[in-house]
Amino acid sequence: KQEVTQIPAALSVPEGENLVLNCSFTDSAIYNLQWFRQDPGKGLTSLLLIQSSQREQTSGRLNASLDKSSGRSTLYIAASQPGDSATYLCAVTLISSGSARQLTFGSGTQLTVLP
Amino acid sequence: DAGVIQSPRHEVTEMGQEVTLRCKPISGHNSLFWYRQTMMRGLELLIYFNNNVPIDDSGMPEDRFSAKMPNASFSTLKIQPSEPRDSAVYFCASSRTSGGPQETQYFGPGTRLLVL
Repeated sequence: KQEVTQIPAALSVPEGENLVLNCSFTDSAIYNLQWFRQDPGKGLTSLLLIQSSQREQTSGRLNASLDKSSGRSTLYIAASQPGDSATYLCAVTLISSGSARQLTFGSGTQLTVLP
Repeated sequence: DAGVIQSPRHEVTEMGQEVTLRCKPISGHNSLFWYRQTMMRGLELLIYFNNNVPIDDSGMPEDRFSAKMPNASFSTLKIQPSEPRDSAVYFCASSRTSGGPQETQYFGPGTRLLVL
């Protein structure tokens, strides 16, 4: 069974710092990996999607990398801002059992960027 | 685009009552997913539909839970009878399934359910 782990569970940084969030998964047979953002009381918003054949994706100040062989992904946030404060979730799409669209989520990292 | 619409946004009910959660997916999307989020277990997939047909309901916790998708623009998740341990945030998500690795799911705002 695929397990997704995110470390740390919570992170607090001063504004302007660069930071890295970590995600690890146990089964490398994935379709893709996504990073989502969740604001309190809100749904999830997809930030970046890395296909299994890709190594990284970038969007603005965000950069996500994928290393399938080691079962790891990182989300790099440059020049953090208070508006980046949210919970960040990592999710992988499995290709096993024909359920290619089934997302398995990590427990998330709660990020607080202090002004 | 209005995004995925869920109703109600909040629901408080008493143990034993029937609860019905509703979802309207994004127009043109042909896959729909129901998730449950709790502090203890995180986000879990309950069931998903493709072209209105349930594909995988292995995440549905018990027979008390049932889900339907009578047409492409509407789905319900029903809990009967409800129990306090069902208290959670229930999310609906939809996607345009192409079978490729670039698919992403779009989430609704969730329904916060509290069973007393």
